[in-house]
Amino acid sequence: NAGVTQTPKFQVLKTGQSMTLQCAQDMNHEYMSWYRQDPGMGLRLIHYSVGAGITDQGEVPNGYNVSRSTTEDFPLRLLSAAPSQTSVYFCASSYAGTQPQHFGDGTRLSIL
Amino acid sequence: GQQLNQSPQSMFIQEGEDVSMNCTSSSIFNTWLWYKQDPGEGPVLLIALYKAGELTSNGRLTAQFGITRKDSFLNISASIPSDVGIYFCAGHGRAGTASKLTFGTGTRLQVTL
Repeated sequence: NAGVTQTPKFQVLKTGQSMTLQCAQDMNHEYMSWYRQDPGMGLRLIHYSVGAGITDQGEVPNGYNVSRSTTEDFPLRLLSAAPSQTSVYFCASSYAGTQPQHFGDGTRLSIL
Repeated sequence: GQQLNQSPQSMFIQEGEDVSMNCTSSSIFNTWLWYKQDPGEGPVLLIALYKAGELTSNGRLTAQFGITRKDSFLNISASIPSDVGIYFCAGHGRAGTASKLTFGTGTRLQVTL
């Protein structure tokens, strides 16, 4: 039972590079979301999707793009990485937006 | 935006002690969730609360949805070393924000033998 799978687990980028963080779930969940976790700040919502073809902004969307072409996948793109985007990124999914979310194990991203 | 204030920020307790932590909001929440995060892993759901006044247990864990819908607490009885981790409260707000989950800043629990 894979659940929510995130790749890669670790990544180091240089400022200005682009990168796509992958997220896949095998639970047929309609709702998927991306969070970033910084020390002392809990998890903050970046973008979310209530179903294939539908995405919306969360609390901290600037510098990130998302798309949802299939129910299973919800990639997060950094178009031009900045040091302020150094963080741990979590993907989550649930049957619906108001249901408890299941989280992946995270991607640890460092931008130099 | 919505904010959740979680306290305490950290706790150092002895094995066997009971633990209590709480979460308060400046606005009404329709759902309260409690998650635990172990080092290097994602948050794992412990308890979900859906109605004001609801009291729910999961083994040694008990959580309540406050009557005002602006707060929730989590109790852990007879703590053991594997209870170590960061505990997060989270909630879904009212219509319009119902699909956005807001997290507290976490309570770091450390248990000594």
